[in-house]
Parts: sequence; C-alpha cells; structure tokens
Amino acid sequence: TQLLEQSPQFLSIQEGENLTVYCNSSSVFSSLQWYRQEPGEGPVLLVTVVTGGEVKKLKRLTFQFGDARKDSSLHITAAQPGDTGLYLCAGADFGNEKLTFGTGTRLTIIP
Amino acid sequence: DTGVSQDPRHKITKRGQNVTFRCDPISEHNRLYWYRQTLGQGPEFLTYFQNEAQLEKSRLLSDRFSAERPKGSFSTLEIQRTEQGDSAMYLCASSLEGTRQETQYFGPGTRLLVL
Repeated sequence: TQLLEQSPQFLSIQEGENLTVYCNSSSVFSSLQWYRQEPGEGPVLLVTVVTGGEVKKLKRLTFQFGDARKDSSLHITAAQPGDTGLYLCAGADFGNEKLTFGTGTRLTIIP
Repeated sequence: DTGVSQDPRHKITKRGQNVTFRCDPISEHNRLYWYRQTLGQGPEFLTYFQNEAQLEKSRLLSDRFSAERPKGSFSTLEIQRTEQGDSAMYLCASSLEGTRQETQYFGPGTRLLVL
C-alpha cells in the first residue's frame, strides 16, 4: 500500500512569513499533484510535477519534485491570508493514474 | 462552466435508505474517478472508469456500493442500505488519458450525512 506523509499537519504563521510543506513517500510516482481545498469544496489543482528534480513556480508558490520521484515540497514566500486552506499532495500510479493522497496540511495565515 | 459537476451537493438520508450521486466530467475526458473523503483526511480512491469500462475498485468499495458509466460520459455512484459510517464527502474527478501531465480535475463533491 502506498502512503504519502505530509508535514506539518497544522501550521499557523503570521502574514509575510515563509513556509515549507513536505510530502514524503517510500513509493515512486509517475507524477505528483498539489491541490488546495476549501471547506465543503473539492480539491483545486495547483500544479502537477512529472520529472524528477523538477521545480515549478506559481507566483509566490514554489513546488519541487524529488530526484527519485518519491517526495515533494511546497514553499510559500511572504504568506498572505488568502493562502489559508488545506493543502494536499497526491501521487499518481503508473498506468491508471489513480491518486494516493497525503493527509493534508492545514495552513492558517494570521493577518 | 466546463468543469466537473456533481449532483446533489448535499444529501441527508436515514440509515438503511439508498442514495445515488451523479458526476458529469469534463467533456473530452475519458477517465473518471470516484474518491471518498472523511473529516480531517485526504481523499481515498474508490473506483475508476476508462470510457464506460470500470477498471479498478478499491477494497473500500463494499458490496453496497455500485458505480456505473453507461455511455462513457456521466457516472453514477449508488450506495444501498446506507450506514452511518458512509457519511463522508464523495468526490468525482476526471482526466484525459495519455497526456504528458495526466492531471485529475475534481468536482465540488457531494456531502452525505447518514442519520
């Protein structure tokens, strides 16, 4: 059974600070996706990383896929209250692409 | 709006009743997935379709659960004889097979409460 561990599980920081969320597994994935989810809504895709070592930037968000395609990180610079939410990483199986989700990181940015 | 849609958004039912949820994927997407999410957890895979064929089912999907995608477009998920443990958010996602970054796009979910 594939498992994805996210850390930290909860994070509360002041506006303007930087933070990093980690997503780790012992399994290799064909790709890894990061989603953000608001209460009562479905996950909204932020980014997909496919190549080992790949780095993608989305404004103040930087995503990295580990060289061995087993882990990933999400770094947010100068966090803003609008970044508050549940961040989920999800690894895709080879072939059928079904997703294994991490338990999520609940981020709160304090104004 | 051309995203994934789900209906209903909320469902309250009594234990023992049957419920059916519908998912309409993004129109050109041939893969459709169902996930279940309980409070405080990430979504868990239930089943997926490639066109009209159901190719994989999770062990989470008991005999009371059945999913269909009769014409390879929309899908339904039925739960028979609901139990309180079935209370969860049921999420549908779709993707296009064979793309370099095969990304799943999620619908807003159906929140089920079994009393």
